[in-house]
Amino acid sequence: NAGVTQTPKFQVLKTGQSMTLQCAQDMNHEYMSWYRQDPGMGLRLIHYSVGAGITDQGEVPNGYNVSRSTTEDFPLRLLSAAPSQTSVYFCASRSLGGPPSYEQYFGPGTRLTVT
Amino acid sequence: QKEVEQDPGPLSVPEGAIVSLNCTYSNSAFQYFMWYRQYSRKGPELLMYTYSSGNKEDGRFTAQVDKSSKYISLFIRDSQPSDSATYLCAMSGDSNYQLIWGAGTKLIIKP
Repeated sequence: NAGVTQTPKFQVLKTGQSMTLQCAQDMNHEYMSWYRQDPGMGLRLIHYSVGAGITDQGEVPNGYNVSRSTTEDFPLRLLSAAPSQTSVYFCASRSLGGPPSYEQYFGPGTRLTVT
Repeated sequence: QKEVEQDPGPLSVPEGAIVSLNCTYSNSAFQYFMWYRQYSRKGPELLMYTYSSGNKEDGRFTAQVDKSSKYISLFIRDSQPSDSATYLCAMSGDSNYQLIWGAGTKLIIKP
C-alpha cells in the first residue's frame, strides 16, 4: 500500500495564479480531509469529505475548493492564490468504521509559497 | 481563547531525561484524546490515544488524561535523540469524527 500520496511536494505560485494540489489514498477510506499547517497554529481543517460526492467546509475554507468524484482522490484547488495561503498542506484519510480516535493517515505534505 | 492550548516550545532536554508534554482544553464534551508525532518535513503519525480519563502506557510512552482539570499529558521515559519531533495533541467528542488540534510542541533531545 502506498497510503496517502500528495503531489507536488513543493510549489511556488505568483499572487492570482490558480493550481490544484493532488491527494490520493489506496486504503478505501471513506473520510478524507485537507489541513494547512502554519507555525504556532497547529493543523487547521480546510475541507473534508465523508464519501464520493460529499464534501463540506472546515475551519478555514475561504479561497479553496474541493471535489470528491472517487473514493481514492480528493484534490484541493486554490482559486486565486494569495500570500496568506503560503503554508504546508496535508491531506489525511481515515476509515469511518471506528471511533474518533481511529487513526488518521497523513500524506507527506505540499509546501506552497505564494509570492 | 483556543479550544485546545499547547505550548509550542521548543523543549530541549538531555538524552535519558523524562519528558512531560501537556495540553489543556476547554470543551468538556471531549472524550477521545490523541497524541500524534511529526518528524521534520513529514506528516503526523498517531502515537497514542486514550478514551475518557485515566492512563495508558506503551513502552516508554504514557498518556494521561485528567478530565476534571481538562488537562492531558504525554510522558516519555528514557528519552532518545530519535524522539526529537513535534508532538501534537488532538481531541474529539463521542460522535464527532473531526479532531481539534493543539499547536504542537517541538521537542529536542540532546545526545
